[in-house]
Amino acid sequence: RKEVEQDPGPFNVPEGATVAFNCTYSNSASQSFFWYRQDCRKEPKLLMSVYSSGNEDGRFTAQLNRASQYISLLIRDSKLSDSATYLCVVNSGGYQKVTFGIGTKLQVIP
Amino acid sequence: NAGVTQTPKFQVLKTGQSMTLQCAQDMNHNSMYWYRQDPGMGLRLIYYSASEGTTDKGEVPNGYNVSRLNKREFSLRLESAAPSQTSVYFCASSEQGVSEQYFGPGTRLTVT
Repeated sequence: RKEVEQDPGPFNVPEGATVAFNCTYSNSASQSFFWYRQDCRKEPKLLMSVYSSGNEDGRFTAQLNRASQYISLLIRDSKLSDSATYLCVVNSGGYQKVTFGIGTKLQVIP
Repeated sequence: NAGVTQTPKFQVLKTGQSMTLQCAQDMNHNSMYWYRQDPGMGLRLIYYSASEGTTDKGEVPNGYNVSRLNKREFSLRLESAAPSQTSVYFCASSEQGVSEQYFGPGTRLTVT
């Protein structure tokens, strides 16, 4: 089993839709979790950290489920500008234990 | 603030040539990283520098060397380029520890 797994997509959704991505991780000792956004041919940019209690930033909600070992990202009221690849990042302890998922591609359609 | 800058943006090398990728950050971050990104794979850590004066190997260090020149600058050197090193290289920094990372714009390297 890969350390971090994401469905590569693409997820094609109409504007205004709600879409959710999951990311599963294999190491139960993983300590911190992040979602990054990467536009085509650009660098990854931090979207949000994922806290145990879950967190929300505008239309974006991130949640952590330790029992089932996954994190999720929910995007409400999708905008065309949300089209990007969303990378899940899991830290299992220490600099060498930061693992990036391959990313989930989202395409928001007019 | 420029954030994290990288040079060059693009480079084509022949097998066996050497080159150095430069990275600088102006956020006064302690930790810096070099990653490579290949199609169908997540970013993979090549080397990192937890703080000025220290460097350590990441997941895929073979064929690379690094220098943490000062707190701002962290360079990546390919001594003898191979086609397998064709990739997009990203430099990143974080304030300290394994926290939120800020990435540079990347260098697209092709080795023929």
